[in-house]
Amino acid sequence: NAGVTQTPKFQVLKTGQSMTLQCAQDMNHEYMSWYRQDPGMGLRLIHYSVGAGITDQGEVPNGYNVSRSTTEDFPLRLLSAAPSQTSVYFCASSYTSGNTIYFGEGSWLTVV
Amino acid sequence: GDSVTQMEGPVTLSEEAFLTINCTYTATGYPSLFWYVQYPGEGLQLLLKATKADDKGSNKGFEATYRKETTSFHLEKGSVQVSDSAVYFCALSARDSSYKLIFGSGTRLLVRP
Repeated sequence: NAGVTQTPKFQVLKTGQSMTLQCAQDMNHEYMSWYRQDPGMGLRLIHYSVGAGITDQGEVPNGYNVSRSTTEDFPLRLLSAAPSQTSVYFCASSYTSGNTIYFGEGSWLTVV
Repeated sequence: GDSVTQMEGPVTLSEEAFLTINCTYTATGYPSLFWYVQYPGEGLQLLLKATKADDKGSNKGFEATYRKETTSFHLEKGSVQVSDSAVYFCALSARDSSYKLIFGSGTRLLVRP
């Protein structure tokens, strides 16, 4: 049972570099989302998707892009990394509205 | 907009002590309420949930009751263990967007032997 799988687990970037955080789920979940976790602030929603081909912005979308070409995958792209994007990123998924939301193990990103 | 407020941590207890972590919420309509737990170096795991007023969620000795009149969902455990040391997050999801969670800031619990 893989569940929600995120890669990489740790990454250090230089300011201005781009990268993609990968997220995959093997539970045939329709809903997927990305959150960031910052000290003292809990988790905040970046982007979400309610199905393949459909994405929308969350609370803190600036500086991030997403796409959902398949049900299984929901990558998060940082176009030009900034130190303010240093955070822990969590991918999450759920089957449908009202079902339990499952989280990946997190990706620790540092931008220097 | 919707929001969740949790008591600030850290909360430090001795083993077998009683635990309460307060959580209150602001939301329109009737949200679902959750407690998630994050052990050191790990992702979030759902601990328990409640989907309507007066529902009690319970798991692993933890419980919380959905109190609409006080807009609260306090987490309790009668006797904590060292292994309960973690960060606990209260969260809500709205009825019309239940795939999105709004989190509180988290409360760190440290249980001493």
